[in-house]
Amino acid sequence: DAGVTQSPTHLIKTRGQHVTLRCSPISGHKSVSWYQQVLGQGPQFIFQYYEKEERGRGNFPDRFSARQFPNYSSELNVNALLLGDSALYLCASSATGVLNTGELFFGEGSRLTVL
Amino acid sequence: GENVEQHPSTLSVQEGDSAVIKCTYSDSASNYFPWYKQELGKRPQLIIDIRSNVGEKKDQRIAVTLNKTAKHFSLHITETQPEDSAVYFCAAILTDSWGKLQFGAGTQVVVTP
Repeated sequence: DAGVTQSPTHLIKTRGQHVTLRCSPISGHKSVSWYQQVLGQGPQFIFQYYEKEERGRGNFPDRFSARQFPNYSSELNVNALLLGDSALYLCASSATGVLNTGELFFGEGSRLTVL
Repeated sequence: GENVEQHPSTLSVQEGDSAVIKCTYSDSASNYFPWYKQELGKRPQLIIDIRSNVGEKKDQRIAVTLNKTAKHFSLHITETQPEDSAVYFCAAILTDSWGKLQFGAGTQVVVTP
């Protein structure tokens, strides 16, 4: 079975641009979460979607948005990019929305560099 | 919200020795504590987890202990090998129903032959 897949793997943008990152969860998983990992730090929660509805949002500005599609894949959008948005963006899927009943599986991430 | 602190930030051990990483959490209602291993340029991978109804869990050379009263949990790696070199993250689940993991800052473990 394929794991969590993310695209693109690497991308370079300039300040003020927009970026869209994509994620396909493990087959059968209905929950997708997005995390931002700045170099040298632990992942920080951005969003969780379960059954196509937003179930949680971390402490990120409104420039960050996401959605989940009927096939449970997801997109993370970031507008008006800042230098500080440079990070590894990790997508994670789980079988359920509530983690105390299941494991979180991470994709390899999309490394975003903002110049 | 939940806050997780992790120590040490770097840990250098000789091959064959043990490594211990400690984490504290702030929200006493947290009930799920996973540990992730992240090799350079790779995804975080779950290596072991513990739930609040258990005090200790072991899987081969890896063990995790949980002290709910003190709000501490620790990762123990015995007989370390060079392939154990990586960044290790502890995490705790927030108290609401949805799976928003709060991660520690990570520990860079270097195992020297």
